[in-house]
Amino acid sequence: GQQLNQSPQSMFIQEGEDVSMNCTSSSIFNTWLWYKQDPGEGPVLLIALYKAGELTSNGRLTAQFGITRKDSFLNISASIPSDVGIYFCAGQLPETSGSRLTFGEGTQLTVNP
Amino acid sequence: KAGVTQTPRYLIKTRGQQVTLSCSPISGHRSVSWYQQTPGQGLQFLFEYFSETQRNKGNFPGRFSGRQFSNSRSEMNVSTLELGDSALYLCASSPQGTGNTIYFGEGSWLTVV
Repeated sequence: GQQLNQSPQSMFIQEGEDVSMNCTSSSIFNTWLWYKQDPGEGPVLLIALYKAGELTSNGRLTAQFGITRKDSFLNISASIPSDVGIYFCAGQLPETSGSRLTFGEGTQLTVNP
Repeated sequence: KAGVTQTPRYLIKTRGQQVTLSCSPISGHRSVSWYQQTPGQGLQFLFEYFSETQRNKGNFPGRFSGRQFSNSRSEMNVSTLELGDSALYLCASSPQGTGNTIYFGEGSWLTVV
């Protein structure tokens, strides 16, 4: 079952606002990945984090790998309508070899123009 | 570089039938993973193949199987389909798997009637 707690489950914001979402776990993760999924499509990779404390940006997106390795957050600045979608965090457990990912439940983002 | 390609995109099957889904990973990627996505269970790991060998397996019944070919292309098969197998099946591609970025295809929508 799911081992990642992602919050919030949904967000309704106005265009131009900043957004923050996070994932927490009782387990330590080696890698954190953030994806965005549009309806009917596969998840698209936004940011990948590989080291505790790592802070990485991709345009208006910023994500951090928590220092305890048990959490990560994603910030979106100055939101625009095309940011609408479901955002997922995903992590790789240390005991997991290969590319097995554990996913959060997702955050549904709605941006009002 | 072409992305992860999955076929077919949509299919409808009858209970009791079997289905085969195909995935072509990004060129040069040797790891292929499969995930099932449903509204109730979210994204769940099925299995991973690396260099034609199953390297990881999730908690799914034996009706779900897969294989990988020498060119890294992969197929997954579901036998004796049940209504609950209706889902979006996603293929993910990665260079090696561990500690790498993982890219998803657009998925195959399976409806079982």
